[in-house]
Amino acid sequence: EAGVTQSPTHLIKTRGQQATLRCSPISGHTSVYWYQQALGLGLQFLLWYDEGEERNRGNFPPRFSGRQFPNYSSELNVNALELEDSALYLCASSKTGYSYEQYFGPGTRLTVT
Amino acid sequence: RKEVEQDPGPFNVPEGATVAFNCTYSNSASQSFFWYRQDCRKEPKLLMSVYSSGNEDGRFTAQLNRASQYISLLIRDSKLSDSATYLCVVNIRTGGFKTIFGAGTRLFVKA
Repeated sequence: EAGVTQSPTHLIKTRGQQATLRCSPISGHTSVYWYQQALGLGLQFLLWYDEGEERNRGNFPPRFSGRQFPNYSSELNVNALELEDSALYLCASSKTGYSYEQYFGPGTRLTVT
Repeated sequence: RKEVEQDPGPFNVPEGATVAFNCTYSNSASQSFFWYRQDCRKEPKLLMSVYSSGNEDGRFTAQLNRASQYISLLIRDSKLSDSATYLCVVNIRTGGFKTIFGAGTRLFVKA
């Protein structure tokens, strides 16, 4: 069974640009979660999508947004990039419901110069 | 106070040792609990879920104490391959739902 996939693996942008990151969940999973992990720091919860709806978001500014498509894949958009947005962005998926285990993709490493 | 706290370590142990990690959480609305491991510059991988009755998977044993808001992970007979960062994870149901990761405990197992 295929795991969670993310694209691109690496992304280099300049300050002020927009970045789009993509995630495909494990087949049968309807929930997708996005996390930010800055170098040397812990994972910070960004967004949770389930059944096409945004269910919750972490303590991040509105320029971090996303959506979930009918096939449950998801994309994360970061507008007006700032240098401190440089981080590993991880996507995870789970069955519907907050109690289920989350399985992670390999991440997209975003570098903002 | 952080919602999920872990001893950052590092823990340096010889092969074959038993090592225990502790994690405390502050939100009584916490609903489900997990341990993940993360290797350097890799994604976290699920190690095990944690239940009130305790659970064991081979050399790994997890315990949950809801009254004390405390989670533990015990690793017996440590292997070199156990070297990683161990993350305590809590799902909190409050208004919506959110997942909180602890900062992790770094483990080095040496030959």
